[in-house]
Amino acid sequence: DAKTTQPTSMDCAEGRAANLPCNHSTISGNEYVYWYRQIHSQGPQYIIHGLKNNETNEMASLIITEDRKSSTLILPHATLRDTAVYYCIVRVAGTGGFKTIFGAGTRLFVKA
Amino acid sequence: NAGVTQTPKFQVLKTGQSMTLQCAQDMNHNSMYWYRQDPGMGLRLIYYSASEGTTDKGEVPNGYNVSRLNKREFSLRLESAAPSQTSVYFCASSDMGPMNTEAFFGQGTRLTVV
Repeated sequence: DAKTTQPTSMDCAEGRAANLPCNHSTISGNEYVYWYRQIHSQGPQYIIHGLKNNETNEMASLIITEDRKSSTLILPHATLRDTAVYYCIVRVAGTGGFKTIFGAGTRLFVKA
Repeated sequence: NAGVTQTPKFQVLKTGQSMTLQCAQDMNHNSMYWYRQDPGMGLRLIYYSASEGTTDKGEVPNGYNVSRLNKREFSLRLESAAPSQTSVYFCASSDMGPMNTEAFFGQGTRLTVV
């Protein structure tokens, strides 16, 4: 699986959009971009994933650049409960399960 | 729907003791995984089981053994616990379809080895 690079930490004001970047310059054509988050010390929670098109669900939007070398997770209206560590992962879907590796992620602080 | 259930939630062991961490999922997933997370770090894969009857090493398998008891259950055993194994352990499961999406995680087992 390709390696990802994320900022160590970010701040965001409550009610504003949180934009979390991720670089994955060595991504392969069949690798998906996944985002997870971990609140306190709970188990990681799936947020969203995509291949090349932008994706949106009830939690967030995922913007993937045309060359697929980077992506941005957008939380449109951040709340205090969105304070968490956010992990960007790239992996091949449909093969070998989820034996992926989580990096250190981005620690997002949402401030009132 | 319980999802992924881990037991125990907390455990303190003395160096050299053994114990088994239990994990069960009720989503009929084929694949199950054990991760560990040290303070301030990301998750590291210990072992995984792509399907019932198979297990494979992950990134940090030394000091651990696993058993895929059946499709639902995947246990992690520490034969002789060491202080370096103090960590939070997460179990996860996922499906293996062509569009396999996300993995579901348990709430973790916090293990301290003294």
